[in-house]
Amino acid sequence: KAGVTQTPRYLIKTRGQQVTLSCSPISGHRSVSWYQQTPGQGLQFLFEYFSETQRNKGNFPGRFSGRQFSNSRSEMNVSTLELGDSALYLCASSLMPGGGTDTQYFGPGTRLTVL
Amino acid sequence: AQKVTQAQTEISVVEKEDVTLDCVYETRDTTYYLFWYKQPPSGELVFLIRRNSFDEQNEISGRYSWNFQKSTSSFNFTITASQVVDSAVYFCALSEAGAAGNKLTFGGGTRVLVKP
Repeated sequence: KAGVTQTPRYLIKTRGQQVTLSCSPISGHRSVSWYQQTPGQGLQFLFEYFSETQRNKGNFPGRFSGRQFSNSRSEMNVSTLELGDSALYLCASSLMPGGGTDTQYFGPGTRLTVL
Repeated sequence: AQKVTQAQTEISVVEKEDVTLDCVYETRDTTYYLFWYKQPPSGELVFLIRRNSFDEQNEISGRYSWNFQKSTSSFNFTITASQVVDSAVYFCALSEAGAAGNKLTFGGGTRVLVKP
């Protein structure tokens, strides 16, 4: 069974631009979560989607948004990029949401560099 | 609010030595889940083990074992007979059953370097 896939793997943008990252979950998984990893803040939860609805959101500004499609694929968007948005963005999928009852499996990440 | 602390930032060992990674957590929930993930240089987080708060039985899985103690809020992880391929950053994580969805709270990570 294929794992979680994320595209693109690497991205370079300039300040003020916007970016869209894509995540395809493991087949059959319906919950998709996004995390940001930076050297200074570590791994931080962005948001989670299930059945095309956002179920949970971390403490990030409104410039960070996401959505989920009917096939469970998810996208996250960052508008008006700032230098501090440079990070590894990780997507994780699980069968269902549910407060940790399902293990989350992670993709390889998208490394975003903002110049 | 939940919190996970990994006090060790980096551990260096010689191959075949055992490595124990410490993890201390804070949560107000009575039902929660604890995880260990491994992040090799490629960047992908690899799931290793998971434990439910209502099951304190410690287990061994291959070269991995863990020691879960609710009384001290600790969830330590041991790699026995380490190998060079074990070199990676290891993260401890917590998920609360009472929270909506699957939010994971991670510790800061422990970098393990296994020298040949």
